[in-house]
Amino acid sequence: DAMVIQNPRYQVTQFGKPVTLSCSQTLNHNVMYWYQQKSSQAPKLLFHYYDKDFNNEADTPDNFQSRRPNTSFCFLDIRSPGLGDAAMYLCATSREQGNEKLFFGSGTQLSVL
Amino acid sequence: GENVEQHPSTLSVQEGDSAVIKCTYSDSASNYFPWYKQELGKRPQLIIDIRSNVGEKKDQRIAVTLNKTAKHFSLHITETQPEDSAVYFCAASKTNAGKSTFGDGTTLTVKP
Repeated sequence: DAMVIQNPRYQVTQFGKPVTLSCSQTLNHNVMYWYQQKSSQAPKLLFHYYDKDFNNEADTPDNFQSRRPNTSFCFLDIRSPGLGDAAMYLCATSREQGNEKLFFGSGTQLSVL
Repeated sequence: GENVEQHPSTLSVQEGDSAVIKCTYSDSASNYFPWYKQELGKRPQLIIDIRSNVGEKKDQRIAVTLNKTAKHFSLHITETQPEDSAVYFCAASKTNAGKSTFGDGTTLTVKP
């Protein structure tokens, strides 16, 4: 049973063309995260929502934005993708902030041409 | 902020041998230490976790130990099998903190 669902599984976009990745969850968790992962490196946190409160990481480029219209859905918007933005984007949820396990979606593999 | 170091970066063992992966953390306030397994092309999945009020936890062939004084924790896999081959990430977090800090990962290869 999929609990954190990401669509699409693969996304191809053109250099500079805005793209949106989506994530939904059936766990009713308070916290939703977006991670960027390159080539089996550690997932890098971009930002997270605790309920409606948005928390941006200091080193996340302005090119990355997020929206959480309701508890179940969260979107990652990349306004002007560059070649360096090609990566796996993982959505994750947790019940509360801190000292809670993360439930990851299957990820969206983004290619930038 | 928290810093998590993970060693080794790669580990190759024969099937049936044990594997040990070690992590150290810097923030003494961290109180939750999960381990995630990520198979090639798949999502990270929690395999075991430990909280700071416990020194050791075991689940079948997998165990985790925590030394709060030394600020390090370790993953132990016994009787390894080829399906244990994956990248393993340790992480650390604390109550009411928004993020988990991940180690850089260990690529475990179990040779048949």
